Amino acid sequence: AQKVTQAQTEISVVEKEDVTLDCVYETRDTTYYLFWYKQPPSGELVFLIRRNSFDEQNEISGRYSWNFQKSTSSFNFTITASQVVDSAVYFCALSENTGTASKLTFGTGTRLQVTL
Amino acid sequence: KAGVTQTPRYLIKTRGQQVTLSCSPISGHRSVSWYQQTPGQGLQFLFEYFSETQRNKGNFPGRFSGRQFSNSRSEMNVSTLELGDSALYLCASSLPTDSGNTIYFGEGSWLTVV
Repeated sequence: AQKVTQAQTEISVVEKEDVTLDCVYETRDTTYYLFWYKQPPSGELVFLIRRNSFDEQNEISGRYSWNFQKSTSSFNFTITASQVVDSAVYFCALSENTGTASKLTFGTGTRLQVTL
Repeated sequence: KAGVTQTPRYLIKTRGQQVTLSCSPISGHRSVSWYQQTPGQGLQFLFEYFSETQRNKGNFPGRFSGRQFSNSRSEMNVSTLELGDSALYLCASSLPTDSGNTIYFGEGSWLTVV
């Protein structure tokens, strides 16, 4: 069975600090997909990134960067120079390669609070 | 490009009633899935539809059902509502490809059962 663990329940930082959100996953599949979503108070889950299990290249997009390590089953997310607008709940999710099916297993989320 | 649209956004129902939620996927997307989000259970998969067929189902009682129409729009229904059904219901759509899916979510429908 798949499992996603986000051990950090809540993180508080001061604006401009860097912050890393941890994600550890479990799956028996050799091919799978990992996602990060951001959920502001409005409720919508905003897609941030998808990473395939066979692509371990780390990625940087603006202030966001992701570190994928299959050896430790981790897919961590870093926000550089955090801003108040980054305050939200962040979810890591896992999808097995079940053909073209779309079913995500989510972690419990990390609430990020960025203050001035 | 319009995103995933869910209606209604907010609703209040009485225990024992039934409710229908609607979802319009991103244009061209043929897969629609539904999730329930509660403070206690987090985000849980309900079911997925593709080409009007249910392809996956989560571990929910039969009171939860859904369907998909030929234009890919989807509805989910919850009958005999219970207080514990109060939740944010999220719809997601994707364009399934052999290289995997990127799954986009709507803003959700906030259901309160009183």
